[in-house]
Amino acid sequence: EPEVTQTPSHQVTQMGQEVILRCVPISNHLYFYWYRQILGQKVEFLVSFYNNEISEKSEIFDDQFSVERPDGSNFTLKIRSTKLEDSAMYFCASSETQSYNEQFFGPGTRLTVL
Amino acid sequence: AQSVSQHNHHVILSEAASLELGCNYSYGGTVNLFWYVQYPGQHLQLLLKYFSGDPLVKGIKGFEAEFIKSKFSFNLRKPSVQWSDTAEYFCAADSWGKLQFGAGTQVVVTP
Repeated sequence: EPEVTQTPSHQVTQMGQEVILRCVPISNHLYFYWYRQILGQKVEFLVSFYNNEISEKSEIFDDQFSVERPDGSNFTLKIRSTKLEDSAMYFCASSETQSYNEQFFGPGTRLTVL
Repeated sequence: AQSVSQHNHHVILSEAASLELGCNYSYGGTVNLFWYVQYPGQHLQLLLKYFSGDPLVKGIKGFEAEFIKSKFSFNLRKPSVQWSDTAEYFCAADSWGKLQFGAGTQVVVTP
């Protein structure tokens, strides 16, 4: 069964450093998403991406964040200068269509900012 | 503002007991509703979804949910739980691809 994969599973970084979280969506999916879950809080939408453009982004997704699909398979989330409050679980998801369709989630990357 | 709320944060019950998890949403227009489950150490998986039609939807592993538009609710049920149902359950609403999640309910099923 096809699945969304994410690497690394755990990333530890120093405050102010740049991190890139990687995702490989399901191959025939066209819509891609990033969510995050701070420990003890809700899963929050960050950004959706389609046709090499951001479709929608939340208030959380400020200038420190960017997304990219550098090739035909990877979908990345970059945080330019990490803050302590960026520590969270980051989930990638993909879907065939924008709505009326299930989003398939990856296992997540746990980001710890020290 | 659009929101999804789940009534219980933690539920502990014995095997064979019935489970019902509450979910209410606050959305202005058409909304698609989902229940996701996260088993320990695993990723979020879809249990069931409601887009339109029959308000009683059946999902995997014996779960079902009922959409009640007048109550803005989408409660999840299972008549008889098993130890393997121990997991965190998330209600979510989708408005054009942007999933909004509830806080989650941690369910522990004791043998």
